[in-house]
Amino acid sequence: EPEVTQTPSHQVTQMGQEVILRCVPISNHLYFYWYRQILGQKVEFLVSFYNNEISEKSEIFDDQFSVERPDGSNFTLKIRSTKLEDSAMYFCASNGNSANVLTFGAGSRLTVL
Amino acid sequence: GQQLNQSPQSMFIQEGEDVSMNCTSSSIFNTWLWYKQDPGEGPVLLIALYKAGELTSNGRLTAQFGITRKDSFLNISASIPSDVGIYFCAGASGGSNYKLTFGKGTLLTVNP
Repeated sequence: EPEVTQTPSHQVTQMGQEVILRCVPISNHLYFYWYRQILGQKVEFLVSFYNNEISEKSEIFDDQFSVERPDGSNFTLKIRSTKLEDSAMYFCASNGNSANVLTFGAGSRLTVL
Repeated sequence: GQQLNQSPQSMFIQEGEDVSMNCTSSSIFNTWLWYKQDPGEGPVLLIALYKAGELTSNGRLTAQFGITRKDSFLNISASIPSDVGIYFCAGASGGSNYKLTFGKGTLLTVNP
């Protein structure tokens, strides 16, 4: 079954450092997303991406965050200068032709020290 | 923003028991989804509901989309140990972005 793959599975970084989380969405999907889950809390929407541009972003997705689809397969989330409160599980998701049915990756755990 | 109230927060049950959990919202959703999350994994879709009043089953799981479009429930019958995990409801209010709003989750523990 097609799946969304994410790397790295876990990254530890120092506060202020830049981090790039990578995702390979399902190949024929058109909509891409990043969600975040702080430990023990609910999954929160960060950003949606369609047709090579951001279609919607939440208030969490401030100027420190950016997304990119550098080639036909990868979808990346960059955090420019990490803060302690950026520590969370970051999930990539993609959506094909099934309305509102997102397929999630296994997540990248980010720990900011 | 939109908020989903999911209850209960956690449940401890014996294997074989039935389980019910629900979500309510102050605003209307066009789609309700139920996901399960195992430790260290991403959410996995269990059931998707697209029409008000719709009742859908997936094996031992049954979910319903409330008539008012503001609520949904998930039932698990004859629970087994592998049902352990966190169950999330999620709603989508439409539009082309398919953005999901998640509930806070129900942690299910099944004692063998």
